[in-house]
Amino acid sequence: QVRLVQSGAEVKKPGASVKVSCKASGYNFGAYYMHWVRQAPGQGLEWMGRINPNSGGTNYAQNFQGRVTMTSDTSIATAYMELSRLRSDDTAVYYCARWHDFDAFDKWGQGTMVTVSS
Amino acid sequence: EIVLTQSPGTLSLSPGERATLSCRASQSVSSSSLTWYQQKPGQAPRLLIYGASNRAAGIPDRFSGSGSGTDFTLTISRLEPEDFAVYYCQQYGNSPRMHTFGQGTKLEIK
Repeated sequence: QVRLVQSGAEVKKPGASVKVSCKASGYNFGAYYMHWVRQAPGQGLEWMGRINPNSGGTNYAQNFQGRVTMTSDTSIATAYMELSRLRSDDTAVYYCARWHDFDAFDKWGQGTMVTVSS
Repeated sequence: EIVLTQSPGTLSLSPGERATLSCRASQSVSSSSLTWYQQKPGQAPRLLIYGASNRAAGIPDRFSGSGSGTDFTLTISRLEPEDFAVYYCQQYGNSPRMHTFGQGTKLEIK
């Protein structure tokens, strides 16, 4: 079955960077865009961007331009999201989500909690 | 940028009742781009409805979606205890590529 398994929780200091991984299994990894969505504590969902795992092509939300980098490694079916120059308001759960052909996020990772604190 | 506004913010109902959740877009969106998700505490969102009215695999038929243009609705015909959660609508555009979520409606037990 399709699974997205993310890396574990992280605690970072302001100004640092964090890199979250998302390992896919059960489907052709390169055939579907992978997106990243975050959710601050008690808040709603915020789209960060997407990557075409095959080509490496990316689109980033304007709010994250210049701070986010999404990459992929098709040899191990894993997508990565790196966020730099972390601030306290980057504290959130970060999700990877597969974008299906019927135009929806049909599979989600379990989420990775990133805490930014001095 | 298209803004999605969900109402009400919180909906208090009892099991067995009918729930009607609204999602209004700041400008007309394609029905094919409108989806609904359910999220329970401590869990990732789960896809319910895509293309405004198509139930995702494994979603009970008490869930239905409707609407077009700027007004979309998620209806739960008879609430089960497991339906109490937060519901989000979401849409995307291509120029530039962008996905937006509504702020969510919390469905709570009355």
